[in-house]
Amino acid sequence: GESVGLHLPTLSVQEGDNSIINCAYSNSASDYFIWYKQESGKGPQFIIDIRSNMDKRQGQRVTVLLNKTVKHLSLQIAATQPGDSAVYFCAETLSGSARQLTFGSGTQLTVLP
Amino acid sequence: GAVVSQHPSRVICKSGTSVKIECRSLDFQATTMFWYRQFPKQSLMLMATSNEGSKATYEQGVEKDKFLINHASLTLSTLTVTSAHPEDSSFYICSALAGVNEQFFGPGTRLTVL
Repeated sequence: GESVGLHLPTLSVQEGDNSIINCAYSNSASDYFIWYKQESGKGPQFIIDIRSNMDKRQGQRVTVLLNKTVKHLSLQIAATQPGDSAVYFCAETLSGSARQLTFGSGTQLTVLP
Repeated sequence: GAVVSQHPSRVICKSGTSVKIECRSLDFQATTMFWYRQFPKQSLMLMATSNEGSKATYEQGVEKDKFLINHASLTLSTLTVTSAHPEDSSFYICSALAGVNEQFFGPGTRLTVL
């Protein structure tokens, strides 16, 4: 079912430090996961994805880890920059496509100078 | 990457009026588009799936007569909020499916109903 948060968890990090954002997903049958970044007043932007047959995937400055046993995803951002300040959502879907996405509640990341 | 636009970006209307929001895929064709609603500091909630040339599929609890969706071409879906009330004030976001796997999001439309 849909996951809607009543409030956004927040994470504050110093510029240059690494950030770790966590997400618990709801459906054990989900097999495709995506992290999105949403800046204020804008639509979500794709960051990185991972399929359920993997437990780790790396992109440029970002790494996604998947633990299917506990239905947990994390997004690691290396050397966090001011431009990384945004809300980060994980999304899950079935059947290896991005057809119907269920979004997590999101985390507000604030990068401190 | 694929670009999705929305128009208008912001709209303010009086209670009881109807508002139309357009979602366009600018450089690709999309047989499927999605409409989401997002309240402040909350997640995106899927309202409906818009299929070109056929009726939209609405999520449970979303009134199809209140949120009219038309997907008349492969690059345009419209969402009309009929007889809008203050509780309909929200951020409406569309997305378009490119191929099987990728969903590209529009920039959103901020609706304020007075």
